[in-house]
Amino acid sequence: AQSVAQPEDQVNVAEGNPLTVKCTYSVSGNPYLFWYVQYPNRGLQFLLKYITGDNLVKGSYGFEAEFNKSQTSFHLKKPSALVSDSALYFCAVRDSGAGTALIFGKGTTLSVSS
Amino acid sequence: DAGVIQSPRHEVTEMGQEVTLRCKPISGHDYLFWYRQTMMRGLELLIYFNNNVPIDDSGMPEDRFSAKMPNASFSTLKIQPSEPRDSAVYFCASTLGLGDTGELFFGEGSRLTVL
Repeated sequence: AQSVAQPEDQVNVAEGNPLTVKCTYSVSGNPYLFWYVQYPNRGLQFLLKYITGDNLVKGSYGFEAEFNKSQTSFHLKKPSALVSDSALYFCAVRDSGAGTALIFGKGTTLSVSS
Repeated sequence: DAGVIQSPRHEVTEMGQEVTLRCKPISGHDYLFWYRQTMMRGLELLIYFNNNVPIDDSGMPEDRFSAKMPNASFSTLKIQPSEPRDSAVYFCASTLGLGDTGELFFGEGSRLTVL
């Protein structure tokens, strides 16, 4: 069975500082990994994905994520946080060989202070 | 395209009443998903369809929940009878193929409050 863990319920950073939101996963086969963002009272929006290839994936709004197979991690990063980045972030995984739906982590609230 | 459209956006009902949530996926998408979001459990997959056929309903909490997709442009999630613990935000999402992308497009959600 596939699963996703986001070990931090909340991450607090100051504007201009780098940010990291952590994600680890478990799948039987090769993983397809995703990050989504949710603003208050809105649906989830796609940020970026890792399917294959370069372990460093770049996405929307200056976010990037690094796939680490040995650590089964896919941490979300941004070099310089903005107050407007404050939102709820979800990591999601799908087993490439299973043809199943995306399974989401519980989410991490990112709070960027000015 | 208008995106995934869900209705109602907000529903307040009393315990025991029937609740019907509606979803219109993006035109041409062949997969449709229903998720439930709560503070305690996060985002849970309830059921998903491929070409209007239910593929996996193992996430449906109990027999009070049912979902249908009578055609490619419409799906419903029904709760009968509703209970206070069903209070949550219900999201519908759609995508074109699960292939190597799997990027889901989400609706704005239906916030259900059962009193």
